[in-house]
Amino acid sequence: GQQVMQIPQYQHVQEGEDFTTYCNSSTTLSNIQWYKQRPGGHPVFLIQLVKSGEVKKQKRLTFQFGEAKKNSSLHITATQTTDVGTYFCAGREGGGNKLTFGTGTQLKVEL
Amino acid sequence: DVKVTQSSRYLVKRTGEKVFLECVQDMDHENMFWYRQDPGLGLRLIYFSYDVKMKEKGDIPEGYSVSREKKERFSLILESASTNQTSMYLCASSSSIRTGELFFGEGSRLTVL
Repeated sequence: GQQVMQIPQYQHVQEGEDFTTYCNSSTTLSNIQWYKQRPGGHPVFLIQLVKSGEVKKQKRLTFQFGEAKKNSSLHITATQTTDVGTYFCAGREGGGNKLTFGTGTQLKVEL
Repeated sequence: DVKVTQSSRYLVKRTGEKVFLECVQDMDHENMFWYRQDPGLGLRLIYFSYDVKMKEKGDIPEGYSVSREKKERFSLILESASTNQTSMYLCASSSSIRTGELFFGEGSRLTVL
């Protein structure tokens, strides 16, 4: 079955440093979504990417979808303490209904 | 504001007990999902439903069943709880099965002793 892996599993950064998490699927995806889960909270939708090579930005966050539609990345520029949480990618296999979540990257930001 | 409500935030049950986890959404969404979340494993899909009385198995359906008698309500049932079902259970809904974003409830943390 489809597998979605994320690296790294954990990342500690100093406030102001950049952060990137990578998502890799074993199969080609029709679309990929990103979610953020604050400590003690539930996942909240951030964005969806659909097109091959697509790049979207939300303030300090940049999301990319790979040309082969099998990988994606989330980059945060100049992290802040409000960025703390776990970031999940979630992909749908081409033609499928199931949304498969990645293993997540837990980000900690230190002052 | 959209809302997905899970009936219990914390439950403690004994091995062999039957457990019901209830989820209600107020967004008139066709699609509802049950995931379990475990450290290092991310969110794993147990079951989903794309219409009343319709259900499909996810990636880890063993030991679970579901019920969708009304559009707004999706229940997860553990017929005979086991310790390896101790986990955080997350319910979600979406408007589109293939493209929609998921709206999650607050989660139900189940401990099976």
